[in-house]
Amino acid sequence: QSALTQPASVSGSPGQSITISCTGTSSDIGTYNYVSWFQQYPGKAPKLMIFDVNVRPSGVSDRFSGSKSGNTASLTISGLQAEDEADYYCTSYSGADTLLFGGGTKLTVL
Amino acid sequence: QRQLMESGGGVVQPGRSLRLSCAASGFPITRAGMHWVRQAPGKGLLWVAGMDYEGGSKKYYADFAKGRVTISRDASKNTVYLEMNSLRVEDTALYYCARDGNFFSFDEWGQGTMVTVSS
Repeated sequence: QSALTQPASVSGSPGQSITISCTGTSSDIGTYNYVSWFQQYPGKAPKLMIFDVNVRPSGVSDRFSGSKSGNTASLTISGLQAEDEADYYCTSYSGADTLLFGGGTKLTVL
Repeated sequence: QRQLMESGGGVVQPGRSLRLSCAASGFPITRAGMHWVRQAPGKGLLWVAGMDYEGGSKKYYADFAKGRVTISRDASKNTVYLEMNSLRVEDTALYYCARDGNFFSFDEWGQGTMVTVSS
């Protein structure tokens, strides 16, 4: 069970859009539409931002959107705000009742 | 208001065992899958184990946890447990309990309980 691959860091200026990628394999992201994205501030518990590839839980800003193409899932944040600066993690169901996490991406708002 | 509260962490010697607890409120754990996720200091999140809501009979484990970890629940106490045996230094981490809101998507998290394995 190898972790999903995310860029270590991304950055953007306020108002811009950024995209965080999450690359897996045909055994996980490529097969299942069970990709989630979590936001985590330092010292805080993670928060669910996207599930089932592109579904936003109630209360999550529509500036956050998810997509998937082949073995890669993506999280896009539009209209970047200072409060978006955090760590972001992707997950994917990988069959046989197991779950993989990505290594995490640190988003810096310039 | 749904809430999860972990407890049971602490400092333990290598090779020893520890049982973590996750007390849920605001919802019955018999109506939701429950999972444990850990985060080593300065590192990323790692899924450890989970269980389904249907009687809790279906339990899932990450490869590294199989044979050393057992997830269980007490419905009467609305509490989920994580029993960890033969602890290693590399098991040092903040252990989170999480509620499965859909299918392996965690919509509620506790604040975590810290486990430090050290001699």
